[in-house]
Amino acid sequence: NAGVTQTPKFQVLKTGQSMTLQCAQDMNHEYMSWYRQDPGMGLRLIHYSVGAGITDQGEVPNGYNVSRSTTEDFPLRLLSAAPSQTSVYFCASSASTSYEQYFGPGTRLTVT
Amino acid sequence: AQSVTQPDIHITVSEGASLELRCNYSYGATPYLFWYVQSPGQGLQLLLKYFSGDTLVQGIKGFEAEFKRSQSSFNLRKPSVHWSDAAEYFCAVGAYGTYKYIFGTGTRLKVLA
Repeated sequence: NAGVTQTPKFQVLKTGQSMTLQCAQDMNHEYMSWYRQDPGMGLRLIHYSVGAGITDQGEVPNGYNVSRSTTEDFPLRLLSAAPSQTSVYFCASSASTSYEQYFGPGTRLTVT
Repeated sequence: AQSVTQPDIHITVSEGASLELRCNYSYGATPYLFWYVQSPGQGLQLLLKYFSGDTLVQGIKGFEAEFKRSQSSFNLRKPSVHWSDAAEYFCAVGAYGTYKYIFGTGTRLKVLA
């Protein structure tokens, strides 16, 4: 049982490049979410999903896309990277009954 | 507006001393409250949660928190801090039927030997 996994751990992008951050969970959790963590700002919700085929925006969705085709996977796409997207990104999942979120180890992204 | 405030950015305590980390929230619905801990370079781990019932909740690693509705607070406590407790602590709030959690900005704990 691997829990929540994220790849890659580190990534450097140039402004304007696109990429996908991968997130997978093997706990059959209905709910998954993406956060970004910036110094002094805590975690801010980017997008979330309450089940396969259902996604919604969080607090800071601009510049990011998500889709949820399976229960296990919830990739985050950066369409055209900007320096303001330099951050640490965390994926989390939870069962609909517990509300306890399990976090992945994070992806540290730098946009130059 | 819904918000979570952790007024202390940094706290330093000596090993063996008691600890209290503050968390205040503003939330329209009956809140679900959480405390998470993040060690350097790691993801977040749940310490404890409050949904309803007894307002004093026990968590892992010897932590406890008390929900005070009248003060809109959910402070985290530990009677005797260990060096391994040095980390960043986040308070979060949610509600039944919603998965849009709001996190505080975190309190970084330093433990002196």
